[in-house]
Amino acid sequence: QKEVEQNSGPLSVPEGAIASLNCTYSDRVSQSFFWYRQYSGKSPELIMSIYSNGDKEDGRFTAQLNKASQYVSLLIRDSQPSDSATYLCAVIRYGNKLVFGAGTILRVKS
Amino acid sequence: DGGITQSPKYLFRKEGQNVTLSCEQNLNHDAMYWYRQDPGQGLRLIYYSQIVNDFQKGDIAEGYSVSREKKESFPLTVTSAQKNPTAFYLCASSRDPGNYEQYFGPGTRLTVT
Repeated sequence: QKEVEQNSGPLSVPEGAIASLNCTYSDRVSQSFFWYRQYSGKSPELIMSIYSNGDKEDGRFTAQLNKASQYVSLLIRDSQPSDSATYLCAVIRYGNKLVFGAGTILRVKS
Repeated sequence: DGGITQSPKYLFRKEGQNVTLSCEQNLNHDAMYWYRQDPGQGLRLIYYSQIVNDFQKGDIAEGYSVSREKKESFPLTVTSAQKNPTAFYLCASSRDPGNYEQYFGPGTRLTVT
């Protein structure tokens, strides 16, 4: 079992819709969770961090964390073509190391 | 401008040659990291350093070496012992080892033939 799992996609949504990206993790004691956005050929950019159960909102982005079910999700409201990218989920594991999922490709169609 | 710089952006080498990738940051961050990314895969940790003159192996350190002589700099050497060196190499930093928010440089794409 991979430590951090994401559906590779691509996830296709129409412009203006809500995109929902999901991530599950295996280490039950993980406490810190991150979402990075990576455009093709570029480096990852941190867009959200979440540490507590529940929702955290930042502009059009909402991160959701459910530690009991060991999943974290990212919602993107009013999706724009510029949101088309690969979204990487990352989790802190034992030893304070960041572990990344392989990423979900999002395509927003205009 | 504060940030992380990596050079060069693209690097081509012949098999059997060692090559050093540069990473510099002016964010006054204590911790620095090296990852590699292969197509369709997540990032994998090569080495990390929490303080000057100290560094630890990550998950895939074999065939790589690092140094941390200055807070601002964390160069990575890809040696000829690394079996599959062609990859996208990413350097990151965080404010301190306990702050898990890592920020990435632009990356170096290494091709070895």
